[in-house]
Amino acid sequence: GENVEQHPSTLSVQEGDSAVIKCTYSDSASNYFPWYKQELGKGPQLIIDIRSNVGEKKDQRIAVTLNKTAKHFSLHITETQPEDSAVYFCAASKGGNQFYFGTGTSLTVIP
Amino acid sequence: GAGVSQSPSNKVTEKGKDVELRCDPISGHTALYWYRQRLGQGLEFLIYFQGNSAPDKSGLPSDRFSAERTGESVSTLTIQRTQQEDSAVYLCASSLASGANTEAFFGQGTRLTVV
Repeated sequence: GENVEQHPSTLSVQEGDSAVIKCTYSDSASNYFPWYKQELGKGPQLIIDIRSNVGEKKDQRIAVTLNKTAKHFSLHITETQPEDSAVYFCAASKGGNQFYFGTGTSLTVIP
Repeated sequence: GAGVSQSPSNKVTEKGKDVELRCDPISGHTALYWYRQRLGQGLEFLIYFQGNSAPDKSGLPSDRFSAERTGESVSTLTIQRTQQEDSAVYLCASSLASGANTEAFFGQGTRLTVV
């Protein structure tokens, strides 16, 4: 089955700096890679996703890159703000099957 | 409703009792997923429904756990003879599953505490 690894487990950055979270996956058949943000006491919320026919996708301060050859994808948050503080999860999926999640990154943005 | 709804939001139960957790997915979403999240940890896959059938039950941790879905809508996760290690947040998600990957929408979760 699929194995998704996520690093780092915790990340602290100064407000305004960039944050990068990296994930690797094992199943080359995976073709959909969403990123979720989970705030305290809430369910995960999708913030950005990328499909295997795309190498990079950007949405305002958030971007995701995908390297299918190396089987890794990354989340980039620029100009971080305190409200970006949360736990972020990456996931991998293939064709309507279950989603395999990483173990999460707790991001703290220091004002 | 507009999103995935889970009930109850919090449940405290005594060890050995049975509990039922409910999930109302987004209308029209044929895929439904249950995950378990222990405190400070990631999402542990439990079971996946496509329509009313469960092609993947591989994540259910023991035979005390079962789930069903009816009318391609509501799903119930049942935990029998609860143990303290069952304490966690149980998350439900739904998605359109037409063979192409689409995003999964999560509910707020049910926080289960077994005392």
